[in-house]
Amino acid sequence: QVQLQESGPGLLKPSETLSLTCTVSGASIRSDYWSWVRQPPGRRLEWLGFISTGESPYYNPSLGGRFTMSLDTSKNQFSLRLTSVTAADTAKYYCAKGRTLPDSWGHGTLVTVSS
Amino acid sequence: EVVLTQSPGTLSLSPGERATLSCRASQSLGNPYLAWFQQKPGQAPTVLISVASRRVAGIPDRFSGSGSGTDFTLTISRLEPEDSAVYYCQQYGGSPPTFGQGTKVDIK
Repeated sequence: QVQLQESGPGLLKPSETLSLTCTVSGASIRSDYWSWVRQPPGRRLEWLGFISTGESPYYNPSLGGRFTMSLDTSKNQFSLRLTSVTAADTAKYYCAKGRTLPDSWGHGTLVTVSS
Repeated sequence: EVVLTQSPGTLSLSPGERATLSCRASQSLGNPYLAWFQQKPGQAPTVLISVASRRVAGIPDRFSGSGSGTDFTLTISRLEPEDSAVYYCQQYGGSPPTFGQGTKVDIK
């Protein structure tokens, strides 16, 4: 059974860059699609994009160009980078397996942006 | 992008009762790529239903999905105490995939 675990800083200041990593066990990241979803406090879930080997990452076109996703096959991890964060990026960030339908999720990591 | 509107916002029902949750899309989904998730406090969402009506392996048969076009429904036929959660619909055929705002189900 696939398991996913997010890691990264819990607190950032505005304008900083957020870097999150998702460690996958029970499956190879070479063999599927991997995605990120976030949930701002009290708001609906927001799909951020997906990545897979052999294909360019696809990002939510409604969110602008601040996101970058990458894979590290040697560590069986994938990552999310978000530049120039603002308070609006405060959310619980989840990594998940799946292209557009996340069918297995990590527990999530809370990221707070505050000066 | 497709906006999904869920109703009601909260359902308060007793064990054994039937729950009917609605998800309405701002435009017709030309495909059945509509999923339902359950999220319990402090936990990640888990997928219950995909392609509008296909129950995911291991999900009890009291959960069922139906609908097409713009109107979709999740039915929980006989509520159990452990069904207390927030339920989200998601369309994943359009770009970008989007979620509804959720329906909270309280078990009295």
